[in-house]
Amino acid sequence: AQSVTQLDSQVPVFEEAPVELRCNYSSSVSVYLFWYVQYPNQGLQLLLKYLSGSTLVKGINGFEAEFNKSQTSFHLRKPSVHISDTAEYFCAVILQYNFNKFYFGSGTKLNVKP
Amino acid sequence: DGGITQSPKYLFRKEGQNVTLSCEQNLNHDAMYWYRQDPGQGLRLIYYSQIVNDFQKGDIAEGYSVSREKKESFPLTVTSAQKNPTAFYLCASSIDTSGIPYNEQFFGPGTRLTVL
Repeated sequence: AQSVTQLDSQVPVFEEAPVELRCNYSSSVSVYLFWYVQYPNQGLQLLLKYLSGSTLVKGINGFEAEFNKSQTSFHLRKPSVHISDTAEYFCAVILQYNFNKFYFGSGTKLNVKP
Repeated sequence: DGGITQSPKYLFRKEGQNVTLSCEQNLNHDAMYWYRQDPGQGLRLIYYSQIVNDFQKGDIAEGYSVSREKKESFPLTVTSAQKNPTAFYLCASSIDTSGIPYNEQFFGPGTRLTVL
């Protein structure tokens, strides 16, 4: 069975500090990996994705993520956060044989404090 | 501008009533999806459709129904059989899978349904 785990439901951090949001997945087949961001009462916006190639992927708004196959992880990082980064972040995977079905994690709320 | 629209943004209904949530896209996408979002649970797939006049159940289809009569429209009906319908509902769409290694899903702004 496939699953996506985001261990931290909330992450408080001060402005300009670095942040890491953790994501682990379990799957018996190869996957593609995504991070989405959701601002209050809005839909989801794609931050970045890993399909193949370099395991370090860069996305919008200064975020990056690293795919670690041995640890089945895809942690999201930003070296210096802004107040405007306050949002909920979702990790998601799709299976390489079923491109229509996304498996989402439960989300991590990032709260950036001044 | 291309995109996905959902209406209404907020919806209130009384217990025992059916209600239909609208989702329209002008991205010329073949596939459309409905998700339900509850606090602390992420997104759960209700139904999806890869082509007009065809759709499949997702993980939590009970108490919901959909139709796909037009490529650009995928309305979701929350029936009285859905025991706990209060939630945030998100519609998404993506291009056809054929020849493409993945489907990026584009999301609408969502509809918040509250049952009184």
